[in-house]
Amino acid sequence: AQSVTQLDSQVPVFEEAPVELRCNYSSSVSVYLFWYVQYPNQGLQLLLKYLSGSTLVESINGFEAEFNKSQTSFHLRKPSVHISDTAEYFCAVILPGGRRALTFGSGTRLQVQP
Amino acid sequence: GAGVSQSPSNKVTEKGKDVELRCDPISGHTALYWYRQSLGQGLEFLIYFQGNSAPDKSGLPSDRFSAERTGGSVSTLTIQRTQQEDSAVYLCASSSARGGEVGQFFGPGTRLTVL
Repeated sequence: AQSVTQLDSQVPVFEEAPVELRCNYSSSVSVYLFWYVQYPNQGLQLLLKYLSGSTLVESINGFEAEFNKSQTSFHLRKPSVHISDTAEYFCAVILPGGRRALTFGSGTRLQVQP
Repeated sequence: GAGVSQSPSNKVTEKGKDVELRCDPISGHTALYWYRQSLGQGLEFLIYFQGNSAPDKSGLPSDRFSAERTGGSVSTLTIQRTQQEDSAVYLCASSSARGGEVGQFFGPGTRLTVL
């Protein structure tokens, strides 16, 4: 079975600073990888995904994530964060061809301070 | 509508009562999922419907939990004889026929509080 580990439960950072939210997964086969964001009092929104091809994927609001097969990681990065990026971020995987449900990490709360 | 909708947004019930939570998926989405989000357990898969296939119930925590999907669209999650540990936000998601590989779209959730 696959699992997802987000080592950092909270990441405080100052506005305009860079940030990296870490995600590692455990699976004996290839998986599809996702980052979801949950803003305060809102539902989950898909931020970006990796299915195949280029290992670097980008979102429309400046986030990017890189799939690293050898390290089984899918870390999320942004070179300069805004106050509005304050939210909880969830890494998730799907096993292709298997159960189609997402397996989520425990989440990382990004707190952007002025 | 444009997105996944869920009702009610909040539900407070007494221990031992039955509750029904409703999900309206995005029109045309054949796959529907229920998840639960709680402080202690994080985000957990509950059940998955795909078209007319038998649902994947492997995530349901007990036989007090059941779900159905009528006409391939609206779904209802039923919790019988609610317990305090059932308190959580219940999330519904839908996706296109590729089984969620292109991304699942989530509703706003139903916050269930069992007193």
